[in-house]
Amino acid sequence: KAGVTQTPRYLIKTRGQQVTLSCSPISGHRSVSWYQQTPGQGLQFLFEYFSETQRNKGNFPGRFSGRQFSNSRSEMNVSTLELGDSALYLCASSLGLVGVRDEQYFGPGTRLTVT
Amino acid sequence: GDSVTQMEGPVTLSEEAFLTINCTYTATGYPSLFWYVQYPGEGLQLLLKATKADDKGSNKGFEATYRKETTSFHLEKGSVQVSDSAVYFCALINTDKLIFGTGTRLQVFP
Repeated sequence: KAGVTQTPRYLIKTRGQQVTLSCSPISGHRSVSWYQQTPGQGLQFLFEYFSETQRNKGNFPGRFSGRQFSNSRSEMNVSTLELGDSALYLCASSLGLVGVRDEQYFGPGTRLTVT
Repeated sequence: GDSVTQMEGPVTLSEEAFLTINCTYTATGYPSLFWYVQYPGEGLQLLLKATKADDKGSNKGFEATYRKETTSFHLEKGSVQVSDSAVYFCALINTDKLIFGTGTRLQVFP
């Protein structure tokens, strides 16, 4: 089974621009979660999508948004980029069954640098 | 709210030494517990998990036991290798999202 894939792997953007990151989950997984990893804040939860609906959301400003398609692929968008948005963005997939605390499988991440 | 506390790193060991990375958690109910490992330039890989009290997760020589009485999930390995050098994250999932500790960097020297 193919693992979680994320594209692109690296991005360099300028402050004020917007960016879209993509994640393809493991086949059969319906839940996709996004995390931001920075040296200062560690791993922080952004949001989770299940069956095309946002099911959970972390404490990030509205500039961070996402969506999920019918094939479970997900995209994350960051508008009006700030220098502090420079981070590794990780996507994770799981079966997402309600009430089941199942493990999440991570992709390799997208390294975003904002200049 | 739920939280995970890990020992500060880096942990520096010689090859074949015994490893312990401490992890304690705070959570209501009965969370599932995980250890993830991150090698340089890569995403997180699930190392092992435990879903209920007294469960022992194990993989690649690493093991951890879910101790509800001490709210701990310490990671151990009897003999580390240079290739084990990485950052290790303890995490829990209770109702919905994964909550991570701050990570512990392990450096193993030959």
